[in-house]
Order: sequence, then structure tokens, then C-alpha cells
Amino acid sequence: DIQMTQSPASLSASLGETVTIECRASEDIYNGLAWYQQKPGKSPQLLIYNANSLHTGVPSRFSGSGSGTQYSLKINSLQSEDVASYFCQQYYDYPWTFGGGTKLELK
Amino acid sequence: EVQLVETGGGLVQPGKSLKLTCATSGFTFSNAWMDWVRQSPEKQLEWVAQIKDKSNNYATYYAESVKGRFTISRDDSKSSVYLQMNSLKEEDTAIYYCTSLTGDYWGQGVMVTVSS
Repeated sequence: DIQMTQSPASLSASLGETVTIECRASEDIYNGLAWYQQKPGKSPQLLIYNANSLHTGVPSRFSGSGSGTQYSLKINSLQSEDVASYFCQQYYDYPWTFGGGTKLELK
Repeated sequence: EVQLVETGGGLVQPGKSLKLTCATSGFTFSNAWMDWVRQSPEKQLEWVAQIKDKSNNYATYYAESVKGRFTISRDDSKSSVYLQMNSLKEEDTAIYYCTSLTGDYWGQGVMVTVSS
């Protein structure tokens, strides 16, 4: 199985700040990576697919980058509504696997 | 409006079985690849199983942790997908989400608790 290592596990940031979340795959996943946002009590929602493509309706302050085994999610100008948990997920090979998640809080 | 509604969760003893049902509407179910994803009490997400569409021969895939115990199936005439869970273990305790990850459709989730 492809292991997805996500960091940091938790993050505290101020409004307006830029934050970056990292995800490392145990092998090359050829950009087969998605990022999800999950708010408390809600189902996860897709933000980014194919490592760097913004899902419809997602604010442009979210962006994804990376290649090979290293990927990142960047949130520019943090807003209060961005307080949530974030997960990466690889779909390059079965079984699909998720990262451990990053809980983002306001400082 | 896209809707996915999971039913069938509850409290079950270790070693017993449970079947989850996901009834969907608002999208072309017959073309969708359907997944079950679960979230543990520690909030970790785990992809559980997937079933592809008819054009892909309804191929199925499973996480190693459930292979041989869980079975995913679908009924395109009812726009529904199922998860038969046998030989349940305490570590199967989680919220189970019905989803089409390729379409970004998610249900609200159903709780499954495995405990004696």
C-alpha cells in the first residue's frame, strides 16, 4: 500500500496569514492526489484534484502543488471559515489511501 | 440536488455482521464509481472499498484491513450501493460515509459501533 505522511498534524495561524500543509507519499503517485477540507460535524469536501487543479467553487486562495512523492496545499490570506481539518488522498494506485490529517486553528 | 443517504448503522457485537445501504439521487448513479470511506473516533479517514460502473465490469477494490470481510455491491435500478460487513472487529468502529470520490458526492455518514 502507498503510505501518505501528512504534516503538521496541527497548525495554529492568524487571519490573513499564509499556511502550507505537506503530504509525502511512500512512492511516486504521479500527481494522483486530492486535498479535502472537513469542518466539524460535516463530511469532507474536495478542494484540489490532480495535485494542482482547483475544484469548482473553491476559493482561489487555495492552491496545490508538487510532484513525485512530495505535495503541498497552500492557503493564502487565511479566513475564519478556513478553520477545519485537511486531508490528502492518493488515487494513483489501489488501495487508495489518506494522510493523517492536519487540524487548522486560529491563533 | 445530489443526495446520498446512508442507513443501517448501529451497535453490534464483535464477530457479527451489519449491512449498510446508501440510497442516492440527483446524479447519474449508473455511471458513477462509488466508494465507502470511514472515519475513526480519532478522526482518521480510511478509504474502505470501491465499486466501478457497468462499463468497468463493476470491478471492486478493498482496503487491506477489510478485504475478505467486507463486500461492496450496487443496484443501478435503485441507485443504491451497499456495504456488507462480516466478522466485525472493534477497530471497525467508525462513521461510514457513502461517497463518489471521483464525483465529490458525499453522504452525511452513519455510525457503526462494534462493542461487546
